[in-house]
Amino acid sequence: SQKIEQNSEALNIQEGKTATLTCNYTNYSPAYLQWYRQDPGRGPVFLLLIRENEKEKRKERLKVTFDTTLKQSLFHITASQPADSATYLCALYRGSTLGRLYFGRGTQLTVWP
Amino acid sequence: DAGVTQSPTHLIKTRGQQVTLRCSPKSGHDTVSWYQQALGQGPQFIFQYYEEEERQRGNFPDRFSGHQFPNYSSELNVNALLLGDSALYLCASSLGGFQNTEAFFGQGTRLTVV
Repeated sequence: SQKIEQNSEALNIQEGKTATLTCNYTNYSPAYLQWYRQDPGRGPVFLLLIRENEKEKRKERLKVTFDTTLKQSLFHITASQPADSATYLCALYRGSTLGRLYFGRGTQLTVWP
Repeated sequence: DAGVTQSPTHLIKTRGQQVTLRCSPKSGHDTVSWYQQALGQGPQFIFQYYEEEERQRGNFPDRFSGHQFPNYSSELNVNALLLGDSALYLCASSLGGFQNTEAFFGQGTRLTVV
């Protein structure tokens, strides 16, 4: 079965620094890898999607990389702000029709002033 | 444009009871997936409905069942509730059954089984 590991349960950084979150997967190679943000008691909100043939994607202060050889994705938030504090989830989609998302357990990011 | 809406937002049930959760997908979406998220864990796929049929199922017992209506809204039913069923239940909608684009999630239903 697909296994997704997010490197740490919690990450604490100072405002203005770059946060780097890691997502490692085993077994099947995903066709797409997605990152979501989840605030307490709320549903996940989509942030970025990267395809297996893409190396990097950017959106404002967010950047995601995808290394299919290492079976790893890195998610970066530059110039982090306290408002970025949340849990960030990595999700894989294998590309089959009517496919499902496989989620990691998430990394809780806290940005302190 | 309304996003994904779920009801109720919170629910307390007694062990052994049955519960029904409801989901209305984002306008224009025809596919609904249900996820269970235990505290401190990532969402786990329960099943997916497309064209009013269950098209894919995760590793959940038959106590978990669902339905999709012609207007694409969906229900999740759980019978014989166990304490371990306490979780946040999330509904996600998409178009055409694919997940190669973003999934839109509702705010979830917090189910507590006592």
